[in-house]
Amino acid sequence: DAGITQSPRYKITETGRQVTLMCHQTWSHSYMFWYRQDLGHGLRLIYYSAAADITDKGEVPDGYVVSRSKTENFPLTLESATRSQTSVYFCASSDWGQGALGELFFGEGSRLTVL
Amino acid sequence: DAKTTQPPSMDCAEGRAANLPCNHSTISGNEYVYWYRQIHSQGPQYIIHGLKNNETNEMASLIITEDRKSSTLILPHATLRDTAVYYCIVRVQETSGSRLTFGEGTQLTVNP
Repeated sequence: DAGITQSPRYKITETGRQVTLMCHQTWSHSYMFWYRQDLGHGLRLIYYSAAADITDKGEVPDGYVVSRSKTENFPLTLESATRSQTSVYFCASSDWGQGALGELFFGEGSRLTVL
Repeated sequence: DAKTTQPPSMDCAEGRAANLPCNHSTISGNEYVYWYRQIHSQGPQYIIHGLKNNETNEMASLIITEDRKSSTLILPHATLRDTAVYYCIVRVQETSGSRLTFGEGTQLTVNP
């Protein structure tokens, strides 16, 4: 199906474990983003990518690693999960790179709990 | 970053216009203003964006002041389903690309 999908939707892990959240979009959008949202707060940008093989830090990149080897995928890895990384993670994509100015399309979110 | 300031909460009666203010006094000349909303824990939903001129679409109107230091999102006839957190965001342009930085937003509650 067309769109943007995140997996897993729910994940429980332990402190110190490595976790990878996947994001896949079928529109060939150039831009992709990762945000986290802690309970009761707004979204904070972790990393974003303007094109394949181009990534840049957002507001809260520490403890996270991203890659963008293919346009359609933008995985987010927590190398050693901490309890403070318990959050809902949203992936988004946009066609800004193709000259558009419009919206970001968001996935449904991945709810991560670190015990 | 061009920071935005919004009231943390607002109330509106069903059927009335909801006017949500936003201050962005440090905005640069080529930076766009975007509005999104988030209902419960769903992903944010795009509403509208603008640069200088007022904009209108099927969801809302965006009024940007002449000096571009503030804007107002108008929902002309608010319904209960418009209850959500509304985010005013300035699109930042950097050498590596553009990004949207969300703040805490305004919790709009539409009352029957």
